[in-house]
Amino acid sequence: KNQVEQSPQSLIILEGKNCTLQCNYTVSPFSNLRWYKQDTGRGPVSLTIMTFSENTKSNGRYTATLDADTKQSSLHITASQLSDSASYICVVSDRGSTLGRLYFGRGTQLTVWP
Amino acid sequence: EADIYQTPRYLVIGTGKKITLECSQTMGHDKMYWYQQDPGMELHLIHYSYGVNSTEKGDLSSESTVSRIRTEHFPLTLESARPSHTSQYLCATEPRENTKNIQYFGAGTRLSVL
Repeated sequence: KNQVEQSPQSLIILEGKNCTLQCNYTVSPFSNLRWYKQDTGRGPVSLTIMTFSENTKSNGRYTATLDADTKQSSLHITASQLSDSASYICVVSDRGSTLGRLYFGRGTQLTVWP
Repeated sequence: EADIYQTPRYLVIGTGKKITLECSQTMGHDKMYWYQQDPGMELHLIHYSYGVNSTEKGDLSSESTVSRIRTEHFPLTLESARPSHTSQYLCATEPRENTKNIQYFGAGTRLSVL
């Protein structure tokens, strides 16, 4: 069964600290994996996207890694800010075509305290 | 970034009412999607469209219907709302040539059925 599992479910950190969010998937075939940020009451916004051949991708203070062999990804946030408080969703696509479908994780709820 | 507009943002209605959630986009994207999202849960695909006059049911059984008469609009209708329909509804778009299946989301409609 194609699944995307994220951990931890929720996380609280102090402003300025770093954190790492995890994503494990069983989706096959694999096309790409992306991380979305979803602010409360808003729609998800894409942060990074990685294909099979990419093992790291950065977007400002966000750095995503991908190990396609172990089917694991992580999202590292550096020097956290209050505005980083949001849900971070891992999404895996099973093929890069018009027939590709997406598998969503439940997200990690990150709270950054001052 | 795609411009996607969902209205209303919030809606509280009584059981049995008919409602239509609006989704419009200005980017000319062929593909459009409706997702349902409960707090702390993953997004579930309920309807999608690959173009005008094309509509398909998604993975999650839904009592809603959609139409795609124009590229820009993809409204979702509930003929008789029930408390079980209380949820957040997200509309998303995707351009035709999009091998990485990146989707752009609207801000969502939060529906409460009393």
